[in-house]
Formats: sequence, C-alpha cells, structure tokens
Amino acid sequence: EAQVTQNPRYLITVTGKKLTVTCSQNMNHEYMSWYRQDPGLGLRQIYYSMNVEVTDKGDVPEGYKVSRKEKRNFPLILESPSPNQTSLYFCASSGPNQPQHFGDGTRLSIL
Amino acid sequence: AQSVTQLGSHVSVSEGALVLLRCNYSSSVPPYLFWYVQYPNQGLQLLLKYTTGATLVKGINGFEAEFKKSETSFHLTKPSAHMSDAAEYFCAVILDSNYQLIWGAGTKLIIKP
Repeated sequence: EAQVTQNPRYLITVTGKKLTVTCSQNMNHEYMSWYRQDPGLGLRQIYYSMNVEVTDKGDVPEGYKVSRKEKRNFPLILESPSPNQTSLYFCASSGPNQPQHFGDGTRLSIL
Repeated sequence: AQSVTQLGSHVSVSEGALVLLRCNYSSSVPPYLFWYVQYPNQGLQLLLKYTTGATLVKGINGFEAEFKKSETSFHLTKPSAHMSDAAEYFCAVILDSNYQLIWGAGTKLIIKP
C-alpha cells in the first residue's frame, strides 16, 4: 500500500531537548516536504527536498533541520525545541506535477 | 507573488443544501489544481485534481470542481451536503515548478442539521 509514515504521532517534550520526527515513503517519490499546521494559519512549508542530498528552505525554516540521505526518508530535526514549535506537523511526498501524499501527522507539544 | 485565495475561512450550509467553496489563484501559466479535505483529527486526503483535459473534474464523496481559466478559479461544489462533509477543505496549485504546491488558507465547512 502506498503510504507516507510519520513517527511519532504524538510527542510531549520540554524546551531544549533535541527531537527527531521521522518520515518515510514507499512510492519512490523524488519530492518530499514538511509542513506545520496551526489554527488560522493553514499549512506552512518548513523544508522540502527535490531529491537525495537536495534540500531547501520553505516559508518557516527557523529552528528546524532536515536531511535527505536516502530517497525514502526525510527526517525533521528540532535541535533545541521551543514552545512556539508546538504544532501539528505533516510530511508529504509526490512525483512531478502530481498531488502530494500526506502522512497522518505528528502532534508536538513543547513545554 | 503567486497566491491561492479561498474565499471564506468558514462556510455554513444546511444539510441537503448546495455546497460551494471558492478558490482563485494568481497565475498566467496553466496550473495543476487540487482540492484536499481534512476531517477532524486526521491528515489531508486528496479530494480531486485537475491536470489537463476536461475542465469539470469529479472527485470522491460526490464533490466536483470546474477549472475556469478566464476566471482563474477552481471552485468546489457538491449538490447536497451531508453531515459527514463537515471538515476543512484546502485548495492547492502547482504553478511554476514541478513539485511545489501553493496552498490556500483553508475553508472550514460547517453543516447545519
């Protein structure tokens, strides 16, 4: 089954404690992306990747890192999380000019 | 700057009434157009898409959308609303690259009994 898998689905942690949200897709898609969703602000792109070892900033990259060492994986790293990064995060992937497939989301709470 | 505008952050309709959610984009080049739906506490699911060909596109759950180039619009409609249609709907467009989506802000659809 074609899918994008994110882990964890829920995480409560404290300010400054490094965390990683994993994202994996099984569709051999070149493109992957991370979004955050906040009430009233819609979806905002954090980082995206056009292919292995190719990443670029989206609209709200501050405080986040990503890597794309393999085509299927695109982890989101918060080196020193802060409360303003409390949000719902989505990973997505797609082929060219195709709709993006989304993971089920990761709800992060930074205390 | 290129943009996607969804008119109305909240739209309320009665059960059985017509649903119309508006989406306009700014571009002079042919777009690829998508509608996504997000049910409460769930991820985003593709509702329908327009890439090329017929401008009236049918999607899941009885929804359809029509691409009107002259109006740069891609409005979403459903003839008769059901309670299960209550969700947030996002319009998205691929404009000048092969991958990057530009998102509308979303419209919450509320269904009144």
